[in-house]
Amino acid sequence: SQQGEEDPQALSIQEGENATMNCSYKTSINNLQWYRQNSGRGLVHLILIRSNEREKHSGRLRVTLDTSKKSSSLLITASRAADTASYFCATDATGGGNKLTFGTGTQLKVEL
Amino acid sequence: DGGITQSPKYLFRKEGQNVTLSCEQNLNHDAMYWYRQDPGQGLRLIYYSQIVNDFQKGDIAEGYSVSREKKESFPLTVTSAQKNPTAFYLCASSMTGGFSNQPQHFGDGTRLSIL
Repeated sequence: SQQGEEDPQALSIQEGENATMNCSYKTSINNLQWYRQNSGRGLVHLILIRSNEREKHSGRLRVTLDTSKKSSSLLITASRAADTASYFCATDATGGGNKLTFGTGTQLKVEL
Repeated sequence: DGGITQSPKYLFRKEGQNVTLSCEQNLNHDAMYWYRQDPGQGLRLIYYSQIVNDFQKGDIAEGYSVSREKKESFPLTVTSAQKNPTAFYLCASSMTGGFSNQPQHFGDGTRLSIL
């Protein structure tokens, strides 16, 4: 079953703008992870935020986690054409032992 | 360079045929995973292995089988019992099995189609 649901399903922005993607989930988690997938390729891990963390940064990426609302957001600042990809959230449920459940993804297109 | 290698990149299956997808990693990771991805969808877990000689069913194991005889290898067989095998198959690994807060590392996938 899909635990995470990303919103929006698709997002188109201009280069230099910020992109925000949201993820909602259903059960208690150990952590939430964000991955990127370029067309026809495997997934690349971007960032992991633990359940006791509220915000985390990595370069142009900012992730927030609100466990009371069971939601997370991924912000990509100053987007570039190379950021064009699908972005997935994945949850590691409490007691799951590093088994991840992936959402359906947000397709981001960054236009020049 | 350490990583995960999946082969072949494209695979075609005839009706009634079993096919095996290869996944090899040189990251010295204990845990390995197989996922299926359908167009426009997220990943669904087929099987996972937390340690060599042990594996467990994921959410959609019916019609698939695996083995884990070596730490670096986790082949997936798509059997004739899997009636809708057309999908993109992704293999992943993580450092240790059963422990949280670890990223997973992915191969570049095998695209399986029916002839």
